[in-house]
Amino acid sequence: AQKVTQAQTEISVVEKEDVTLDCVYETRDTTYYLFWYKQPPSGELVFLIRRNSFDEQNEISGRYSWNFQKSTSSFNFTITASQVVDSAVYFCALSVYNTDKLIFGTGTRLQVFP
Amino acid sequence: DVKVTQSSRYLVKRTGEKVFLECVQDMDHENMFWYRQDPGLGLRLIYFSYDVKMKEKGDIPEGYSVSREKKERFSLILESASTNQTSMYLCASSLLLGQGTTYEQYFGPGTRLTVT
Repeated sequence: AQKVTQAQTEISVVEKEDVTLDCVYETRDTTYYLFWYKQPPSGELVFLIRRNSFDEQNEISGRYSWNFQKSTSSFNFTITASQVVDSAVYFCALSVYNTDKLIFGTGTRLQVFP
Repeated sequence: DVKVTQSSRYLVKRTGEKVFLECVQDMDHENMFWYRQDPGLGLRLIYFSYDVKMKEKGDIPEGYSVSREKKERFSLILESASTNQTSMYLCASSLLLGQGTTYEQYFGPGTRLTVT
């Protein structure tokens, strides 16, 4: 069975703190894709990153970075020097083998206070 | 930029009414999806379509049907709305390449449906 677990339901930080959002996945597939999405208060999910199972290199994009570790089935997301605009719900997702469907985690609500 | 639009941001319907939610994408994507989002449950797939007139059930299709007559448009239909269908409905689209490659989905702004 495939599953995505985001154990952190809600995280609160003060601006400029670093914060890591955890994502643990389960799959028996050898080829799969992992995704992160951001859902700001406006409601629209915004695509952040897509990573395939054969590429374990960490990714950095500005203040955002992602750590993919197959050994622990984790794909964690770190925001460095958080800002109030980072306040949102963040979803991790996993592709279903040989389909274009995604399985989403239940999301982590991040609140960044000034 | 990919643009996915949904016909309404907010909708209030009565129990038993037939409800149509419309979704249009402008990037010539083959795949289109309908999800519902409920607190604590994340996003759950209702139906998806990989081509015109093609559809596949997702995880929670009961009480819903879909229609895809044109590539850019995917409609979600609640045949007889019930209060437990009060939710946020999200439409998405993505490219289809096959060969084991899954592309990112692009989402619309959502429709918050209240059934009273």
